[in-house]
Amino acid sequence: DIVMTQAPLSVSVTPGESASISCRSSKSLLHSNGITYVYWYLQKPGKSPQLLIYRMSNLASGVPDRFSGSGSETDFTLKISRVEAEDVGIYYCGQLLENPLTFGSGTKLEIK
Amino acid sequence: QVQLQQSGAELVKPGTSVKLSCKASGYTFTSNHMNWIKQTTGQGLEWIGIINPGSGGTSYNVKFKGKATLTVDKSSSTAFMQLSSLTPEDSAVYYCARRYLDYWGQGVMVTVSS
Repeated sequence: DIVMTQAPLSVSVTPGESASISCRSSKSLLHSNGITYVYWYLQKPGKSPQLLIYRMSNLASGVPDRFSGSGSETDFTLKISRVEAEDVGIYYCGQLLENPLTFGSGTKLEIK
Repeated sequence: QVQLQQSGAELVKPGTSVKLSCKASGYTFTSNHMNWIKQTTGQGLEWIGIINPGSGGTSYNVKFKGKATLTVDKSSSTAFMQLSSLTPEDSAVYYCARRYLDYWGQGVMVTVSS
């Protein structure tokens, strides 16, 4: 199985500042079709996870452009610019390249 | 709009089975595979398996083979997951989610306790 390793476990951010979350996969997530199958999700308190970024760098519908994704074949970053109070929750990276789908252990974002 | 409506919370006894449902609306049910995912505090998010509603074809995480059985009812646009031989370790929140996890159900809490 592909192992997804996230860091940090938690991050505390002042509103208006930026935050970055890292994710590393144990195997390249670059498919032969040129698509990198890493996805980012946010789980707000008491809610289901919601899709933020798909295929490494594409913003999901309705997601503010303060969120962005980047990376290589095995190292990925989610950046949140101008953090707002509504961004609190747990962020997960996930790989959808192959079954079984696997996820990072999550990064908890808190507001200072 | 796309919606996945899951059935309500379950309190079940060890050794029994439970069948969870996920009713899809707002899109063509047979055009999108359906995943099932387990969430616990200790293990985080675990992928259980996926079903193709059009063909009924399934793929399971080896860890959940024999534990979970995925089915669909095309006439009602509903996906089902049966969990068998339940133990306290099966206590969790279970989600259904479309193929690329772009839409998720609200989750259902299953508690296994005598």
